[in-house]
Amino acid sequence: GNSVTQMEGPVTLSEEAFLTINCTYTATGYPSLFWYVQYPGEGLQLLLKATKADDKGSNKGFEATYRKETTSFHLEKGSVQVSDSAVYFCALRESNGIQGAQKLVFGQGTRLTINP
Amino acid sequence: DAGVTQSPTHLIKTRGQQVTLRCSPKSGHDTVSWYQQALGQGPQFIFQYYEEEERQRGNFPDRFSGHQFPNYSSELNVNALLLGDSALYLCASISGGETDTQYFGPGTRLTVL
Repeated sequence: GNSVTQMEGPVTLSEEAFLTINCTYTATGYPSLFWYVQYPGEGLQLLLKATKADDKGSNKGFEATYRKETTSFHLEKGSVQVSDSAVYFCALRESNGIQGAQKLVFGQGTRLTINP
Repeated sequence: DAGVTQSPTHLIKTRGQQVTLRCSPKSGHDTVSWYQQALGQGPQFIFQYYEEEERQRGNFPDRFSGHQFPNYSSELNVNALLLGDSALYLCASISGGETDTQYFGPGTRLTVL
């Protein structure tokens, strides 16, 4: 079946550092890819998405490029802030062929802590 | 515009009991999915409801069941609770016109003692 693998956490960085969180996937075809963020005590918020190969999703300074050659969707940010501290989940959309029927397959999550 | 809402926020039950969790989708959304997120793990898909019917199901036992109402709100029922059912239960809704993006609620934290 389809699966998503994220880099092991936790990740601890200093403010203004460069961030990369690796994500690779195994899937049939070319599914839409997502990054969700979960702040402490909250549900998931969509951070960005890409729906086809070579698409770049971006939001709030974060970006990720859909690379079909390497089956990857790595999350990057040039200068992180303390407020970026959260758990980040990479996910792919899996459809069973019925129009609209879909589910998200998530990675295990990467906890990010930014120190001032 | 209200987002996805869930109730209750927290719940404590004992083994063998039954629980019902509730979800109201984002305005204009007609499809609801439920996910289970164990501590330190990514969410796992339980099932999806559309037009009051279960359209897709993940690898969860029959103890997990659901329902969708005509106003698109949904319930998740879990019978014969086990300690391993302790988790954050997330509801997500989708707009039929934007099928790529699922919007999540804040979740219900279930603790089984």
